Amino acid sequence: GAGVSQSPSNKVTEKGKDVELRCDPISGHTALYWYRQSLGQGLEFLIYFQGNSAPDKSGLPSDRFSAERTGGSVSTLTIQRTQQEDSAVYLCASSFSGGVGADTQYFGPGTRLTVL
Amino acid sequence: DAKTTQPPSMDCAEGRAANLPCNHSTISGNEYVYWYRQIHSQGPQYIIHGLKNNETNEMASLIITEDRKSSTLILPHATLRDTAVYYCIVRSGGTSYGKLTFGQGTILTVHP
Repeated sequence: GAGVSQSPSNKVTEKGKDVELRCDPISGHTALYWYRQSLGQGLEFLIYFQGNSAPDKSGLPSDRFSAERTGGSVSTLTIQRTQQEDSAVYLCASSFSGGVGADTQYFGPGTRLTVL
Repeated sequence: DAKTTQPPSMDCAEGRAANLPCNHSTISGNEYVYWYRQIHSQGPQYIIHGLKNNETNEMASLIITEDRKSSTLILPHATLRDTAVYYCIVRSGGTSYGKLTFGQGTILTVHP
């Protein structure tokens, strides 16, 4: 079946502009996660959605970052007033149960964001 | 979630078994061991997970020690395409949810 998809695959923007990154999770998955990976760094958790519960925003680095998940499916990560340090690969993952028992997250290919 | 320790790098000859160790000495009873890998410029790929028993799938085998303080991921016949960063992650099951915490992983290089 179809995996997690993300768009765009690459995004180049100028400092100060806003960007929106999209994630389409695997159909039927109730949990959705955003991570980012800066050049040469490990993966850093950003935000987590589980069903209709309030999202876990504990990983968002600043108030310029926000995310929403409409209809329990597609999610958009928005970065306002982008800075050069926001340059990274933004990864989305989804899972079926969101944490009850073993809960395997499946990742998309990522969006490479470059802020000039 | 428990912390894991992995060697920073390993080499393996093509066609041989690759055995990647992971220490998780502070693992608790409801924590699972997950393995992911990341090939350059791609999203992490799920490999396998386990709780207590050894596990095998089409990609790999996972051997967990009886005390659960360490585990080994085995790629039985490594190929050049298995060159990647391999992450061992310990994560709670039950009702606690959320993020995977990725460490630095092991860079596995498979050479001809």
